[in-house]
Amino acid sequence: SQKIEQNSEALNIQEGKTATLTCNYTNYSPAYLQWYRQDPGRGPVFLLLIRENEKEKRKERLKVTFDTTLKQSLFHITASQPADSATYLCALKNTGNQFYFGTGTSLTVIP
Amino acid sequence: DVKVTQSSRYLVKRTGEKVFLECVQDMDHENMFWYRQDPGLGLRLIYFSYDVKMKEKGDIPEGYSVSREKKERFSLILESASTNQTSMYLCAGGLEGYGYTFGSGTRLTVV
Repeated sequence: SQKIEQNSEALNIQEGKTATLTCNYTNYSPAYLQWYRQDPGRGPVFLLLIRENEKEKRKERLKVTFDTTLKQSLFHITASQPADSATYLCALKNTGNQFYFGTGTSLTVIP
Repeated sequence: DVKVTQSSRYLVKRTGEKVFLECVQDMDHENMFWYRQDPGLGLRLIYFSYDVKMKEKGDIPEGYSVSREKKERFSLILESASTNQTSMYLCAGGLEGYGYTFGSGTRLTVV
């Protein structure tokens, strides 16, 4: 069956450290993968997109990697701040037009 | 930036009522999606559309229908609301290969 799995537990890290979130997928062949941030009671907000032929993408303190052999994407937040506390979702587009999300990882940055 | 507007933030309806959830985007984007989000289950795709009058079923279309008569508007219809359709409903829109923009969500309670 098809699955998108993210860190199963909430992640707590100290301010200033690097947070690393994992997204693993099974039985998908994604053309690209996206990461979103979601705050409580709000809709997800797009952060980064990485295509299947790209290994790494950066945007300010964010970095995403994509390994199609391992079927995994890693999402890094460097120099983390309490304002980075949120749920982070990975999403991928399979062949066709459907777009699927993982269940998300809740990140708390402790001051 | 694309703006996606959902008509209601909170909605309370009675079992058996026909419910309309409206979503409007302010750009000429082809792709629009309806998801529901429930604790522990993440975002699940109900329906999506990649053009006017085009629609495709997602993973959980039962009990729902959609309408896309104009490019900017994608409506989700609950034909006969049931208590198990109590959820957060999220609409998204955007261009293929780019990040999607979500609305703020409609929290629907069916009593």
